[in-house]
Amino acid sequence: DARVTQTPRHKVTEMGQEVTMRCQPILGHNTVFWYRQTMMQGLELLAYFRNRAPLDDSGMPKDRFSAEMPDATLATLKIQPSEPRDSAVYFCASGLIETQYFGPGTRLLVL
Amino acid sequence: GENVEQHPSTLSVQEGDSAVIKCTYSDSASNYFPWYKQELGKRPQLIIDIRSNVGEKKDQRIAVTLNKTAKHFSLHITETQPEDSAVYFCAASLTGNQFYFGTGTSLTVIP
Repeated sequence: DARVTQTPRHKVTEMGQEVTMRCQPILGHNTVFWYRQTMMQGLELLAYFRNRAPLDDSGMPKDRFSAEMPDATLATLKIQPSEPRDSAVYFCASGLIETQYFGPGTRLLVL
Repeated sequence: GENVEQHPSTLSVQEGDSAVIKCTYSDSASNYFPWYKQELGKRPQLIIDIRSNVGEKKDQRIAVTLNKTAKHFSLHITETQPEDSAVYFCAASLTGNQFYFGTGTSLTVIP
């Protein structure tokens, strides 16, 4: 039963520090999504890639967030510098054609 | 862009009763409509989906209906059980590009 994996699962950091979150999509999936989930905003799309090319990152604060896919087995989301308002659960999802499957999420707390 | 509205935001039902969650979408080009179940602290999990060329789909106690003319789709859960208690999200997508999520319905099944 193939699953999307994410690391770390939990991260506590101080304001101003860099945070890097990693995602391993399901083998063979060609689309990768990054979402942020908070109680107030629900599920927000930050960015997504198809065949490793970024298609849309309009949901991402460009001055501090960046998303990349260095290869087909790894997607990264970086926040630099982090702020307390970035505290949330960050989900990666991968898909093929239409479906998408979520990873377990990274729970980020910025103090 | 697409706008997905979901109702109700909370729903309580007695065990054994049916639950219905409704979503509307704005972009008539959307052609793929998945539903996700998210238990507390867990990842959203795909439970059922429907494509625009189909009006209804069933999987055991879960069914989804789609009315393209009215641009709404609904999730029906019959014979509810306590383990159905979770937050349910609907989404709309154009062929797997850009998933737009509803704000979620918190379902509580009372034993």
